[in-house]
Amino acid sequence: DVKVTQSSRYLVKRTGEKVFLECVQDMDHENMFWYRQDPGLGLRLIYFSYDVKMKEKGDIPEGYSVSREKKERFSLILESASTNQTSMYLCASSSAGEGAGELFFGEGSRLTVL
Amino acid sequence: AQTVTQSQPEMSVQEAETVTLSCTYDTSESDYYLFWYKQPPSRQMILVIRQEAYKQQNATENRFSVNFQKAAKSFSLKISDSQLGDAAMYFCAFLQGGSEKLVFGKGTKLTVNP
Repeated sequence: DVKVTQSSRYLVKRTGEKVFLECVQDMDHENMFWYRQDPGLGLRLIYFSYDVKMKEKGDIPEGYSVSREKKERFSLILESASTNQTSMYLCASSSAGEGAGELFFGEGSRLTVL
Repeated sequence: AQTVTQSQPEMSVQEAETVTLSCTYDTSESDYYLFWYKQPPSRQMILVIRQEAYKQQNATENRFSVNFQKAAKSFSLKISDSQLGDAAMYFCAFLQGGSEKLVFGKGTKLTVNP
């Protein structure tokens, strides 16, 4: 059974803390994505990676960075968490080419910044 | 830039009835793909159905079918014989040919009443 696993379902952090959200996929997918989901705003792309060490900014990259040192793992980093980063974060992966658009999602990480 | 609009933030349907969720998109491209994704409460998002723009035939997956009107840039999802398990957020998404990044609508929350 194919899987995208996000390390934490729920996190509570303080303003200014550094936050790491980890995502691992077992499908050997080239593409990995981090989205932010907020009520009424849908899914907004934060960052996209199409290969190891390769990344592209999405629609809302400010305040975030990413790391992809291995093909199966894609990390989202909040260098200094702020209250407006309280949200649901979704990781997804897809194969390149013909498989593009068919995303496999993790269960999400709900982050609360106090 | 492509945009995806879901004009119905919430919809409800009686169990066993049929419901149609609306989606319109804006693009000047001719090569693209359209998707519907389902996100059940507290569960991960999954792909429901996919449509290639070059195909005139509407995609169907069991009780789920689409009405793809290319000239009108409309891509609605019809759920027949609605079941309680169909209750979820539904997201329409657009993928330009050659791209790896989906553009999502803001979602429609579907409630299924017993």
